[in-house]
Amino acid sequence: GQNIDQPTEMTATEGAIVQINCTYQTSGFNGLFWYQQHAGEAPTFLSYNVLDGLEEKGRFSSFLSRSKGYSYLLLKELQMKDSASYLCAVRDSNYQLIWGAGTKLIIKP
Amino acid sequence: SQTIHQWPATLVQPVGSPLSLECTVEGTSNPNLYWYRQAAGRGLQLLFYSVGIGQISSEVPQNLSASRPQDRQFILSSKKLLLSDSGFYLCAWSEREWDTGELFFGEGSRLTVL
Repeated sequence: GQNIDQPTEMTATEGAIVQINCTYQTSGFNGLFWYQQHAGEAPTFLSYNVLDGLEEKGRFSSFLSRSKGYSYLLLKELQMKDSASYLCAVRDSNYQLIWGAGTKLIIKP
Repeated sequence: SQTIHQWPATLVQPVGSPLSLECTVEGTSNPNLYWYRQAAGRGLQLLFYSVGIGQISSEVPQNLSASRPQDRQFILSSKKLLLSDSGFYLCAWSEREWDTGELFFGEGSRLTVL
């Protein structure tokens, strides 16, 4: 079966750095996505990786290793507004998105 | 710019009652359209997707149905709701060519079946 694993919850301090990991086992691979979802709201797109390596976008970076079936989302200079759930999703060989359950990130002052 | 709207935002329905959630997209043509359901502690579950008018693919067997009567309109329906239909329903669209695969989501509809 297809599986996406990410931690259920993480806690970090304002101003610090946090890394959210995602491991996957899917039927084929056509890209990995990270979305941010604030409580009660719709997800919004953060990043897309299809090749190995690091993609940087301001305070957020996403890393991919296809051989290891592994990605992480790195958030720097954490702000209180970064408190949200972070969803990892993989596009499989049929171009369907397989979603992880999400990691709830709690930022403390 | 492109926008997506879905409604109603919240609804409480008794078991056995019908359901209709509506979603419309503006500012783009020929989008791919999706209905997802999100249950607490679980990943987004794809219910239906559509690549064109009248073309609906169902991913999960259930008592829900979807229709796409116009290019930018997507409707989720049920004739008789079950308790297990409770959840957060999200409509989304993507570009037909899907270069980055980015999905744009509507505001969501929270359904509680009692």
